[in-house]
Amino acid sequence: KAGVTQTPRYLIKTRGQQVTLSCSPISGHRSVSWYQQTPGQGLQFLFEYFSETQRNKGNFPGRFSGRQFSNSRSEMNVSTLELGDSALYLCASSLEGVKNIQYFGAGTRLSVL
Amino acid sequence: DAKTTQPPSMDCAEGRAANLPCNHSTISGNEYVYWYRQIHSQGPQYIIHGLKNNETNEMASLIITEDRKSSTLILPHATLRDTAVYYCIVRAGGGSNTGKLIFGQGTTLQVKP
Repeated sequence: KAGVTQTPRYLIKTRGQQVTLSCSPISGHRSVSWYQQTPGQGLQFLFEYFSETQRNKGNFPGRFSGRQFSNSRSEMNVSTLELGDSALYLCASSLEGVKNIQYFGAGTRLSVL
Repeated sequence: DAKTTQPPSMDCAEGRAANLPCNHSTISGNEYVYWYRQIHSQGPQYIIHGLKNNETNEMASLIITEDRKSSTLILPHATLRDTAVYYCIVRAGGGSNTGKLIFGQGTTLQVKP
């Protein structure tokens, strides 16, 4: 079974631009979560989507948004990029149930210049 | 979700057992202990989880104290490839927060030859 796939792996943008990152979950997984990892703040939860609905949201500004499609694939968008948005963005998918194990993709490394 | 406390770093000799401690004194009765690890610049990888009984899988063993206020992850024969940041996370096993993991700073385990 294929793992969580994130595209692109690397991205370079300039301040003020917007960016869209993509995540394909493991087949059958309906929950997709997004995380931001920076050296200063560590791994921080952005939001979670389940069945095309945002179910949980972290403490990030409205410039960070996401969506989930009917096939469970998810995208996250960051508008008006700031230098501080440079980070590794990780996507994780999970199967509903008591175990709730999240499986992570390799991430998208975003550099904002 | 309950807060966890881990030592920032540990060393282990290759081939020896690595014992990584975690304190979670405010854990609730329905909260599980999860362990993930992150090898440099990769996505976090699930290792093991447990509620109150000790657990073992092909990667590691998890020992949870009887009062559930602390736990220890054991890598029985550490290899250089086990060098990573290890995260101990406490969270409820089900419910609406299933896709949300709160990461602390973790323990950086350095396995030395």
